[in-house]
Amino acid sequence: SQTIHQWPATLVQPVGSPLSLECTVEGTSNPNLYWYRQAAGRGLQLLFYSVGIGQISSEVPQNLSASRPQDRQFILSSKKLLLSDSGFYLCAWSVSGGGWTQYFGPGTRLLVL
Amino acid sequence: QKEVEQDPGPLSVPEGAIVSLNCTYSNSAFQYFMWYRQYSRKGPELLMYTYSSGNKEDGRFTAQVDKSSKYISLFIRDSQPSDSATYLCAIYGAQKLVFGQGTRLTINP
Repeated sequence: SQTIHQWPATLVQPVGSPLSLECTVEGTSNPNLYWYRQAAGRGLQLLFYSVGIGQISSEVPQNLSASRPQDRQFILSSKKLLLSDSGFYLCAWSVSGGGWTQYFGPGTRLLVL
Repeated sequence: QKEVEQDPGPLSVPEGAIVSLNCTYSNSAFQYFMWYRQYSRKGPELLMYTYSSGNKEDGRFTAQVDKSSKYISLFIRDSQPSDSATYLCAIYGAQKLVFGQGTRLTINP
């Protein structure tokens, strides 16, 4: 069966510091990978998605970037965090070509102070 | 106009009640319709998805789609306290999954 991991679970960072969140998927090959942000009481906002190694599409211009160095690894980064980057970050995967059934990881709660 | 509209609630019902959760959408090109359940401080869990208009049943859960009205529903029968969560509708089209705001549901014992 497939499993998706995210870490860390919780992170508190000062404004201006760098960020690196990691997501890995087990039990599948060549998945589509996604990064979402969920603000309190709001729906999920798609940030980035990837259909393969090194292929990243950005949905929202922002202070964040994403990379996919390996088939089942997806990283969300920032060089300098802003207060507005606080939120709940979720990684998801789907089978290649099947983007309507996405499966989510446990999420990372980020608080920027 | 938002692509997907969902009443955020909160919705509170007694145990055993039938719960109805709803979303409307604006783009008739949307093809797939999903419901996710999200417990507090957890990632969303896919409950059901459907493609066509009509009903799809899975245990106590029924998903209903009316493409002519651009309206989707999730019904929960014999609701349990463990069903207390936020329920998100999600609609897929043009290689994009768009989520509703989520409805917070509480089932009272």
